[in-house]
Amino acid sequence: GAGVSQSPSNKVTEKGKDVELRCDPISGHTALYWYRQSLGQGLEFLIYFQGNSAPDKSGLPSDRFSAERTGGSVSTLTIQRTQQEDSAVYLCASSSDSYEKLFFGSGTQLSVL
Amino acid sequence: AQKITQTQPGMFVQEKEAVTLDCTYDTSDPSYGLFWYKQPSSGEMIFLIYQGSYDQQNATEGRYSLNFQKARKSANLVISASQLGDSAMYFCAMREGAGYSTLTFGKGTMLLVSP
Repeated sequence: GAGVSQSPSNKVTEKGKDVELRCDPISGHTALYWYRQSLGQGLEFLIYFQGNSAPDKSGLPSDRFSAERTGGSVSTLTIQRTQQEDSAVYLCASSSDSYEKLFFGSGTQLSVL
Repeated sequence: AQKITQTQPGMFVQEKEAVTLDCTYDTSDPSYGLFWYKQPSSGEMIFLIYQGSYDQQNATEGRYSLNFQKARKSANLVISASQLGDSAMYFCAMREGAGYSTLTFGKGTMLLVSP
């Protein structure tokens, strides 16, 4: 596609429910990143995929968070047993090269009630 | 220690004036890249400018320039001739190392441009 696509754009869920957030990167981009942005805050790194290498999961805040990337393209971020502190905008980005800039999607606004 | 520090939570500037947004960074890796992104109220992250650690000259992109002072570990963004549409959050970010790695972002500076 023309840009990084994320769905849904908004997600409201109840505490304790599981959610899945989807990211479709720019075609041909080998690197894919997930970030979280809480209200008025900077971007917090969550996880990073690069080609066929093992993902860098060092930013995942707890074992309730997981992500996978199928076929080197689409990625899904899963949050199990959501908590209110999980409420944030979840941003996905992709890039084509180690020195290339990141292209961001428009994000998924997650609200946990 | 924070890898990226943006000390200005908010900045005000009048239209058509220049403004400098501060960014300092901390790394022991000789190879790194510095990025600036703009985030308007719509929430999208817009890439503005990039500076590599080995670049000899300061990066420029239209009205944006990066004042890169390697010894001071600073990478300030200069916006010339501010426009109302420049009102947004601005984030400084760094990628360390020569291989694939993630970007570390600062907490951002909110810029408000007044008529």
